[in-house]
Amino acid sequence: EVQLVQSGAEVKKPGESLKISCKGSGYVFSTFWIGWVRQMPGKGLEWMGIIYPGDSDIKYSPSFQGLVTISADKSINTAYLQWSGLKASDTAMYYCARQNAYGPFDFWGQGTLVAVSS
Amino acid sequence: DIQLTQSPSFLSASVGDRVTITCRASQGISTFLAWYQQRPGKVPQLLIYAASTLQSGVPSRFSGSGSGTKFTLTISSLQPEDSAAYFCQQVNNYPWTFGQGTKVEIK
Repeated sequence: EVQLVQSGAEVKKPGESLKISCKGSGYVFSTFWIGWVRQMPGKGLEWMGIIYPGDSDIKYSPSFQGLVTISADKSINTAYLQWSGLKASDTAMYYCARQNAYGPFDFWGQGTLVAVSS
Repeated sequence: DIQLTQSPSFLSASVGDRVTITCRASQGISTFLAWYQQRPGKVPQLLIYAASTLQSGVPSRFSGSGSGTKFTLTISSLQPEDSAAYFCQQVNNYPWTFGQGTKVEIK
């Protein structure tokens, strides 16, 4: 059974750094792209970027390039999303998801809620 | 970036109704379009990919059609559990992008 398990909710202050994780199981992790999607409170889905764990090829949305860093460690089947200086506007639910061969996300993590407040 | 515009943004329909949601792309994307359902407080789920291919396990009352710049998601007979937000996504050109969403309410 394919599963993506994300790290738990975080409460942070502006300016702090954060790294959230997404661990895959039930499939060959290194051979499927993993993506990150942001959903701000009450809003729609925003595609942030994707990584191919096999060779760490990454594609960012221009809207998120330079604001976040996507990485992966294929040895432990885990992808990451990190910030070096959080802002209140980063408050959102963040989903990781596996991209299928056609491009869309066929399996999703449960989401990680990030709250940034002073 | 390719912009996706969904219509309507909100619709209210009765159980058993046929419901259609439209997604228009700012440029041609062939059939590289997917649809997702997100029930309140839940994780999005893939319904349809390649414009018209039903994801495994998705009820057959859901169907998709279209190519180029205009796509539709149809629910042939609306059920109570279909109360949700629906999003289209293009996977033709990076960055992949989502439509703004359509909220479906059951009357």
